[in-house]
Amino acid sequence: DAGVIQSTRHEVTEMGQEVTLRCKPISGHDYLFWYRQTMMRGLELLIYFNNNVPIDDSGMPEDRFSAKMPNASFSTLKIQPSEPRDSAVYFCASSLGINTEAFFGQGTRLTVV
Amino acid sequence: AQKVTQAQTEISVVEKEDVTLDCVYETRDTTYYLFWYKQPPSGELVFLIRRNSFDEQNEISGRYSWNFQKSTSSFNFTITASQVVDSAVYFCALSEHGTGNQFYFGTGTSLTVIP
Repeated sequence: DAGVIQSTRHEVTEMGQEVTLRCKPISGHDYLFWYRQTMMRGLELLIYFNNNVPIDDSGMPEDRFSAKMPNASFSTLKIQPSEPRDSAVYFCASSLGINTEAFFGQGTRLTVV
Repeated sequence: AQKVTQAQTEISVVEKEDVTLDCVYETRDTTYYLFWYKQPPSGELVFLIRRNSFDEQNEISGRYSWNFQKSTSSFNFTITASQVVDSAVYFCALSEHGTGNQFYFGTGTSLTVIP
């Protein structure tokens, strides 16, 4: 079975540009998470969805960040406009049910120059 | 307040030594779940184990074992006869039944196994 797919491993963009990260969760998983990992702040939950509906977006740092899940097999995290401090590894994860283990994608390392 | 504390930032051991990674958690829920993840140098996060608060039995999987003690709010992870491939950052995490599906991760312990 394919795991969580984040097709882009590295993304480099210029400050002020829009960047969109993409994720395909594991089929049949009801929950999808977006995490950000930095040296300073560790792993931070940005937002999670249940059955395509955003449940908790309290971790989204600013209005520049937005996430969507138009269907059960696809989610995006958009940053517009991007800033150098957004540079981090962004992970998508999915889980079968509540409080079950989350399986992570390989992450997208975003560098904003 | 930090819900999951991994006090050991970095540990180095020589191959074949045993090593224990500590995890202390804090919660008021009676139903909660604890997890360990491994992040090797390649960067992905690999799920290792999930344990619910009602199951205090220790678990062994090959060279890995976990010691769950509710009395001390700890969920420690031991690697027996460590190998170079065990070098990674290990994260402990908590999920509470009462707060939805939020995972609270510790800051991780970086383990280096020296050949």
